[in-house]
Amino acid sequence: KQEVTQIPAALSVPEGENLVLNCSFTDSAIYNLQWFRQDPGKGLTSLLLIQSSQREQTSGRLNASLDKSSGRSTLYIAASQPGDSATYLCAVSNYQLIWGAGTKLIIKP
Amino acid sequence: ETGVTQSPTHLIKTRGQQVTLRCSSQSGHNTVSWYQQALGQGPQFIFQYYREEENGRGNFPPRFSGLQFPNYSSELNVNALELDDSALYLCASSLGRLAGSYEQYFGPGTRLTVT
Repeated sequence: KQEVTQIPAALSVPEGENLVLNCSFTDSAIYNLQWFRQDPGKGLTSLLLIQSSQREQTSGRLNASLDKSSGRSTLYIAASQPGDSATYLCAVSNYQLIWGAGTKLIIKP
Repeated sequence: ETGVTQSPTHLIKTRGQQVTLRCSSQSGHNTVSWYQQALGQGPQFIFQYYREEENGRGNFPPRFSGLQFPNYSSELNVNALELDDSALYLCASSLGRLAGSYEQYFGPGTRLTVT
């Protein structure tokens, strides 16, 4: 049974810092891994999708990596801003998405 | 191109009642998946529909049921509501029978409160 874990559960950093969010999964047989952002009480915004054959994806200040053999993904956020404050969730897929519980990120001005 | 929409945005029901939530998929998408997200947790997969047929189900009881229509919009029905059904219900659409192999696009969700 696939299990997804995100560490830390919460993170508070000063504005401008670079930071890394972690996601681990137990079964490497996945189609892809997605990172999402969720603002309080809102739906999900897809940030990056990494296919199982890929090692990383980049979008603006975000970079996500995937290491299937070790069951790990990281989301790197460069030059953090207060607007980046949100909960970040990762999800791995076979025929459905299996989710972590998320990391709540607070960027202090 | 229209994104995924859900209605209503908020809903308050009493324990034991029934509820129907609606989702319109993104144009051209033939697969719809439903998720339940309790407060402070990641979403949990309920089920998905591909071309009007259920194509996979998570660990939810039969009182959670669904439909997909010829235009690929979808409904989630929950009977005999329980307090623990209070959650954000998310709908996602994608293209292809194996929803997990394609990028999924999410609606804004319906916040259900059961009292």
